Amino acid sequence: RKEVEQDPGPFNVPEGATVAFNCTYSNSASQSFFWYRQDCRKEPKLLMSVYSSGNEDGRFTAQLNRASQYISLLIRDSKLSDSATYLCVVKTSYDKVIFGPGTSLSVIP
Amino acid sequence: NAGVTQTPKFQVLKTGQSMTLQCAQDMNHNSMYWYRQDPGMGLRLIYYSASEGTTDKGEVPNGYNVSRLNKREFSLRLESAAPSQTSVYFCASCRRADQPQHFGDGTRLSIL
Repeated sequence: RKEVEQDPGPFNVPEGATVAFNCTYSNSASQSFFWYRQDCRKEPKLLMSVYSSGNEDGRFTAQLNRASQYISLLIRDSKLSDSATYLCVVKTSYDKVIFGPGTSLSVIP
Repeated sequence: NAGVTQTPKFQVLKTGQSMTLQCAQDMNHNSMYWYRQDPGMGLRLIYYSASEGTTDKGEVPNGYNVSRLNKREFSLRLESAAPSQTSVYFCASCRRADQPQHFGDGTRLSIL
């Protein structure tokens, strides 16, 4: 089993739709969690950190469930510019970082 | 405001050649990382350095060596390049383990 798994995708959604991405991790010692987005042939860029209480940044909401070892990202009112690959990232207490395989999103006009 | 700088951006090698990928960050970050990214595989950690003077293996270290030359620089060396090492290589850094990483632009490496 991979240490970090994500919805396989791709997700194709119309503009204005709400889309949710799921991510599970296997190492219960994991301490920090992030969502990155990556545009084609570009470097990953931080979208948001994920906090235990859940956090929101505009149209984006991230949730963490430590008991179930599950992270989610919700995008509301999808824009064309949201089309990208979304990477779930998990850090362990000893600074090891594992990226999920990514979920591709295409927002269609 | 350079952030993380990788050189070169592109390189073509022949099988068996050696090469060092350079990475430097000017943010006074403690931790630095090397990843490779292949289609359908996501980013995989090759090596990381939690602090100056330490290095540790990641998920896919075979065929690579690293050097944390100082706090700013973390290099990745391919001693004898193989076609399986054709990939896009990303360097990243962060201040602490609980903080997000900053990435370089990537090095596109092709081995023939």
